[in-house]
Amino acid sequence: QKEVEQDPGPLSVPEGAIVSLNCTYSNSAFQYFMWYRQYSRKGPELLMYTYSSGNKEDGRFTAQVDKSSKYISLFIRDSQPSDSATYLCAMSSSNTGKLIFGQGTTLQVKP
Amino acid sequence: GAVVSQHPSWVICKSGTSVKIECRSLDFQATTMFWYRQFPKQSLMLMATSNEGSKATYEQGVEKDKFLINHASLTLSTLTVTSAHPEDSSFYICSATSFQDKTETQYFGPGTRLLVL
Repeated sequence: QKEVEQDPGPLSVPEGAIVSLNCTYSNSAFQYFMWYRQYSRKGPELLMYTYSSGNKEDGRFTAQVDKSSKYISLFIRDSQPSDSATYLCAMSSSNTGKLIFGQGTTLQVKP
Repeated sequence: GAVVSQHPSWVICKSGTSVKIECRSLDFQATTMFWYRQFPKQSLMLMATSNEGSKATYEQGVEKDKFLINHASLTLSTLTVTSAHPEDSSFYICSATSFQDKTETQYFGPGTRLLVL
């Protein structure tokens, strides 16, 4: 079993839809949770960073962490075609430790 | 802020040659840099952790004699793929840690695409 599981998709939605991306994990020591966006042939770009459980909102993006269920989510409101990319969840047991990445979910937002 | 660059962005080489990839933190000093490899439609796989002034720590299964890492300064780390073979063809990405808001965050470079013929 992988430490971090993420459905690779692809996920296709119409413009303006609410997108829900999810990851599950098995290591209860993870405390730092991140979402990265990666466009084709580019390096990952940090979107959201959350410590422990709870919600964090930044513009159209909301990150949720449920440590009791070992489940994290990223919501994208009013999705735009420019949001089309691969979204990677990543997590770590310490704020200086190595990141464990999910496989990434490919999202396509159709105009 | 927190910009990481990589050079070259892509390279094509013949089998048996060595290729050097540079990773630079442009506007901050990075004590730690990480090197990842990503195959098509797969996630990032950590290869090694590089700390300035000390030997890199390699992940299990990564040959340290094949993937030489040098972290010469707080803004530069290099990865040399020695005697490259076609199976080494991949997307190599580095990241550098920046301490912001009481936490260390990894910022990624744009990646280097290596094709070994």
